[in-house]
Amino acid sequence: EDQVTQSPEALRLQEGESSSLNCSYTVSGLRGLFWYRQDPGKGPEFLFTLYSAGEEKEKERLKATLTKKESFLHITAPKPEDSATYLCAVNPGETSGSRLTFGEGTQLTVNP
Amino acid sequence: DTEVTQTPKHLVMGMTNKKSLKCEQHMGHRAMYWYKQKAKKPPELMFVYSYEKLSINESVPSRFSPECPNSSLLNLHLHALQPEDSALYLCASSLRPTNEKLFFGSGTQLSVL
Repeated sequence: EDQVTQSPEALRLQEGESSSLNCSYTVSGLRGLFWYRQDPGKGPEFLFTLYSAGEEKEKERLKATLTKKESFLHITAPKPEDSATYLCAVNPGETSGSRLTFGEGTQLTVNP
Repeated sequence: DTEVTQTPKHLVMGMTNKKSLKCEQHMGHRAMYWYKQKAKKPPELMFVYSYEKLSINESVPSRFSPECPNSSLLNLHLHALQPEDSALYLCASSLRPTNEKLFFGSGTQLSVL
């Protein structure tokens, strides 16, 4: 069974304090790993797609990396506006339709 | 226009009511989705429409009925819901059904009394 596990469940940082979020996955055939950001009461917002081990993507203070078993979302010098829930999702290789399997998310709070 | 628009933003309904959720996108996307999200949980896929044809219905109760009038519009008809159906209902779209970059709407927060 395909599984996606995110850790930690919640993370509190001070502004400027860099850290990383983890997404571990077990899938039969990975066709992509995705990071989304979700603000309270809003829909998830797409951040990154990673397809192969060793791949890295960056956007402002965020950097996503991928290995064969996990992905990390590194947050460098975070600001309060980075506070949100970060969701990891995998495409387990289904060919009919987009059937993303989401993790439970990491709730990030950045204090000023 | 890179938005997925959902209406209403909030909905309160009784268990005997019939209501509809609406979703619209004008990005030329050919796949549209309904997700259900409970508090502090990830989104759960309910329905997928690709090229206006329903391609997944994964054991979702029949009190939820999707409709795709055209490639830009997606409705979710609700009838005889239960209190446990209270959740955030998210609509999403993607360029193609195999394209996993989903654009989500802001959702409809549904409360069933």
